[in-house]
Amino acid sequence: EDQVTQSPEALRLQEGESSSLNCSYTVSGLRGLFWYRQDPGKGPEFLFTLYSAGEEKEKERLKATLTKKESFLHITAPKPEDSATYLCAVQAGSNDYKLSFGAGTTVTVRA
Amino acid sequence: DSGVTQTPKHLITATGQRVTLRCSPRSGDLSVYWYQQSLDQGLQFLIQYYNGEERAKGNILERFSAQQFPDLHSELNLSSLELGDSALYFCASSVSGTSTYEQYFGPGTRLTVT
Repeated sequence: EDQVTQSPEALRLQEGESSSLNCSYTVSGLRGLFWYRQDPGKGPEFLFTLYSAGEEKEKERLKATLTKKESFLHITAPKPEDSATYLCAVQAGSNDYKLSFGAGTTVTVRA
Repeated sequence: DSGVTQTPKHLITATGQRVTLRCSPRSGDLSVYWYQQSLDQGLQFLIQYYNGEERAKGNILERFSAQQFPDLHSELNLSSLELGDSALYFCASSVSGTSTYEQYFGPGTRLTVT
C-alpha cells in the first residue's frame, strides 16, 4: 500500500523566514507526485505535479522538488497569505489513478 | 475557483438517514473522484468514475454508493448514516481517468450526523 509521510506536522514562520516542507513516499511505480494547498473548510487547491526525480517546479514563492524517495516544498520569503495546510499526494501503480494523501503540514506565517 | 461545483455546502441530518451529495465536474473533464476528509483519517479516496462507468474503488463502505450520469455530473449516496460518517466530502475531476493528470477539487460538502 502507498505510504506518504509529511513533516513537520506544523510550522510557524515569521514573515520573510524561508523554510522547507518534506514529503517522503513509499510506493510501487510512482507516476506523479502532487502538491496541494488547503485553506480551512475549503477544497484542496492544485499547486504542482512532479513526474520524475530531479524535476523542479516554481510558482511565486513556492518551489517543489522531487527525488526518488521524497519531495520538498520550499517557501521563500513567506507572507501571511501563505498560511495554509500543504498536502502532498502520490499517484502510483499501473492502473490506479486515485490520489493517496499525506496528513499535511500546517504553515502559519506571522507578520 | 476550480470549476468543480458541489451541493449542498452543508448538510445536517440524523443517524439512520440517507443523503445525496452532488458534484459537477469542470467543463471537459471526464473523470470524477470522491474523497472523504475527517480529522483522524485525513483525505481518503472513496470511488472514481470515468465517462459514466465505475473505474476504481477505495475504502468505500457498503452503505455508500455513487454514480455518474450521461451529463457527467456525479452523485454520492450515503445511507444508514452513523455519527462517524460526519466529515467533509470532496469531489474532484480530471481530464482523463486513464492517465496521470492533476485533479481539481470542489469546495466540498460538510456532513454532520447527529
